This record gives sequence, C-alpha cells and structure tokens, in this order.
Amino acid sequence: DQQVKQNSPSLSVQEGRISILNCDYTNSMFDYFLWYKKYPAEGPTFLISISSIKDKNEDGRFTVFLNKSAKHLSLHIVPSQPGDSAVYFCAASLYGNKLVFGAGTILRVKS
Amino acid sequence: GAVVSQHPSRVICKSGTSVKIECRSLDFQATTMFWYRQFPKQSLMLMATSNEGSKATYEQGVEKDKFLINHASLTLSTLTVTSAHPEDSSFYICSARVLGRGARDTQYFGPGTRLTVL
Repeated sequence: DQQVKQNSPSLSVQEGRISILNCDYTNSMFDYFLWYKKYPAEGPTFLISISSIKDKNEDGRFTVFLNKSAKHLSLHIVPSQPGDSAVYFCAASLYGNKLVFGAGTILRVKS
Repeated sequence: GAVVSQHPSRVICKSGTSVKIECRSLDFQATTMFWYRQFPKQSLMLMATSNEGSKATYEQGVEKDKFLINHASLTLSTLTVTSAHPEDSSFYICSARVLGRGARDTQYFGPGTRLTVL
C-alpha cells in the first residue's frame, strides 16, 4: 500500500523555467512533509519541509505547497538550474514516526 | 545541515561472508538512526529504526538475524549483513534524526554504501 505517491517518474524543464514536482498521499494523519534531492550513488539531501498546519513554505528558489484537502503537495523550483538535475523524493511523517517515501521523480534541467 | 558519514562507501565481498557498515553522526548526537535500502530505480525502503542503547525495530519482512544493527553510542550505529548472498547486493543508506535542531523529524542521510556480493 503506497501511502506516498509520486506519479511522474520524470520531468524535463528548460533552464531558467519553473520546475514543479508533485506528490500525493493517502493518510490524512500525516503531519509533516519533506522533500529530498538525491544524486546517483549518494545519500539524499534534505531540501525543504512543511508542517501540516501550514500551506506554504519558502526557502530561496524552493517553495513547497501543501493542499490538505486534496492530500497533495508540490515542490516548485524557480528558476531551475542544470545543477538541480537529480531525483527528488517527497516523504511524509506521522507524529514523529518513520518517514514514508515516494518513489521519486527524475528532474532534468536542460541548458 | 547535520553531517552523517558512512563507511565503507563501497564493498565487494564473497558469498557467505559478513559485512559491517558504520554510520556516524559527526557534529551532533543522534538518539535515533535509520537504515534504508535502495534498489535500482526504486525508492528508499526503511529496514529498521535504531535507538541508542536499545534493540532495533525492524520493518516487516526484514530478517533481524541477517541484518544485525547495533547503536552503542549517540554517534554510531552499525549494520552487519551476515552470511551475505548476491541478492543482498544493494545500496544501503543510513540516516540520523536530529532533535532540537532545524525542522522537526528531519532526517539527515549518509552518503550510502554500495554492497556487491559475488
């Protein structure tokens, strides 16, 4: 039972444009959400997070939006840079318990 | 962010041998560490949660006798793959949960260990 889903396996974006990565979840009890970036043969790097009491969190070029009624969150990267090319995982947490990860989305930023 | 290291980064071993992977939190104390496994083109699969000074909690389907976890100190957790077989070949990643620093529930990951069993 996949509680966290990233339905787009890959996304290709032109440099300078906006990248939008989407994530859906099924468990309405999740109360914290995170995005991680991962390069091949490396561990994931924490990017940004959001609590379920908020609907937006911004950090530099990265913004995460949460729509609780739709059980949907998205990561916006603007402007996109070639160095952003990586696999992006969304993850959800329930009351401080383990993280549940999505399958990941490969982002390719073309220069 | 917090720094987590893993050693070794890559290991090749013969079938039937045991391999130990170390995970260290370098600039903070981690009461809880996690061990994940990632197959090619798949997501991270949580294997177990390691709490300092107590037994690890294993996820369903993970053999605790095969994947031995020890969390003897606040900065070190080890994963030992016992009697390794080729199907154990994978990318193993640890993470540490940081309390009181930054965002809640944030896990910081090590660089991973590529295990190849011949």
